[in-house]
Amino acid sequence: DAGITQSPRHKVTETGTPVTLRCHQTENHRYMYWYRQDPGHGLRLIHYSYGVKDTDKGEVSDGYSVSRSKTEDFLLTLESATSSQTSVYFCAISPSSGRTDTQYFGPGTRLTVL
Amino acid sequence: QKEVEQNSGPLSVPEGAIASLNCTYSDRGSQSFFWYRQYSGKSPELIMFIYSNGDKEDGRFTAQLNKASQYVSLLIRDSQPSDSATYLCAVPPGGYQKVTFGIGTKLQVIP
Repeated sequence: DAGITQSPRHKVTETGTPVTLRCHQTENHRYMYWYRQDPGHGLRLIHYSYGVKDTDKGEVSDGYSVSRSKTEDFLLTLESATSSQTSVYFCAISPSSGRTDTQYFGPGTRLTVL
Repeated sequence: QKEVEQNSGPLSVPEGAIASLNCTYSDRGSQSFFWYRQYSGKSPELIMFIYSNGDKEDGRFTAQLNKASQYVSLLIRDSQPSDSATYLCAVPPGGYQKVTFGIGTKLQVIP
């Protein structure tokens, strides 16, 4: 398995509170991604990073921010959590964006916003 | 039209049969196509990728690509109960960083 960990694995929080999810990799891959997965929507890209301090938005970035200060860590922050952000969040990594390069997924974080 | 479309299923097949999973995509510029398998409560894992027209075989799995018709399919031969999972089709459009995933097809293999 690719060396990807996510923390926490489960979190319950209340509406309006800030939440930070962490993705840590030991593969030294350049690209890192945050997805959310919801029934009926599949995996949707929130933000991604193509290098330290280099990030860009995905299709569902509203209400989320990210930071990457080191190659191995990619943080996802919900500044003020809402119930619509209840979801399973997956981090993924990829060595490059070449056409044969796959993404390797972390174990996921189940977030519940009450 | 969604960029990547899959029938959510469930698709039920008897053990030992061939399971056929289909995916259509809208971006004619797409060059690579990936199939991921996701067991319930787990993260997706890559099982196949294909970027040339035709068939690509790996064990019991065959990926088929038809760029003219803009579809990619996954065949699972001799289906086993352990193949029961959701299969996600993933297609990178022109910019490879932003892969688009289909909603996935749930496969149930009945013993």
